[in-house]
Amino acid sequence: DIQMTQSPSTLSASLGDTVTITCRASRTINTWLAWYQQKPGKAPKLLIQKSSTLESGVSSRFSGSGSGTEFTLTINTLQPDDSATYYCQQYNDNWMFGPGTKVEIK
Amino acid sequence: EVQLLESGGNLIQPGGSLRLSCAASGFTFNIYLMTWVRQAPGKGLEWVSTISDTGFSTYYADSVKGRFSISRDNSKNTLYLQMNSLTAEDTAVYYCARGSLVRGFLDPFDIWGQGTMVTVSS
Repeated sequence: DIQMTQSPSTLSASLGDTVTITCRASRTINTWLAWYQQKPGKAPKLLIQKSSTLESGVSSRFSGSGSGTEFTLTINTLQPDDSATYYCQQYNDNWMFGPGTKVEIK
Repeated sequence: EVQLLESGGNLIQPGGSLRLSCAASGFTFNIYLMTWVRQAPGKGLEWVSTISDTGFSTYYADSVKGRFSISRDNSKNTLYLQMNSLTAEDTAVYYCARGSLVRGFLDPFDIWGQGTMVTVSS
């Protein structure tokens, strides 16, 4: 099975900051990597698929990059509504989520 | 409106069985891969099981293989998860989700239900 790791597990940043979350796969997944945002008590929301393709309606402040085993999610100009937990997910070999990164606003 | 509505969650004793349902509306159900994802209290997301659009192909996480069974009734636009031999480790919110139809098989999940809570406890 492909294992996924994310770093950091928690990050605290100020409004207007740019933050980056890293996701690593235990073996290559090409660009079959998605990012989700989940707020407390709510279902996850798909933000990005195929490493860098932004879903319709998702703010352009979110961007994704990477291929192979290392990927990043970047949030530009951090807003209060971005406070959430972010999960990466590989879908190259079945499906597997990363452990999540909690983004807090200072 | 595209919607998924789960039901069937409950408090169940260890060793018991439960069947979850997910009613789909607002889209052509029979062309989409469908999935169950769970989230234990305070924990991350765990993929549980996926079924192809026709129902011919099914996939399971090792943690539920042999105990859970996914199925679908395309005539009723409904997805199911039969859960047997439940343990405390199965306690979670169970979400159904739709595959995004980019490749038609291995896809991420673009529509999610609100979830249904399963609690396994004596």
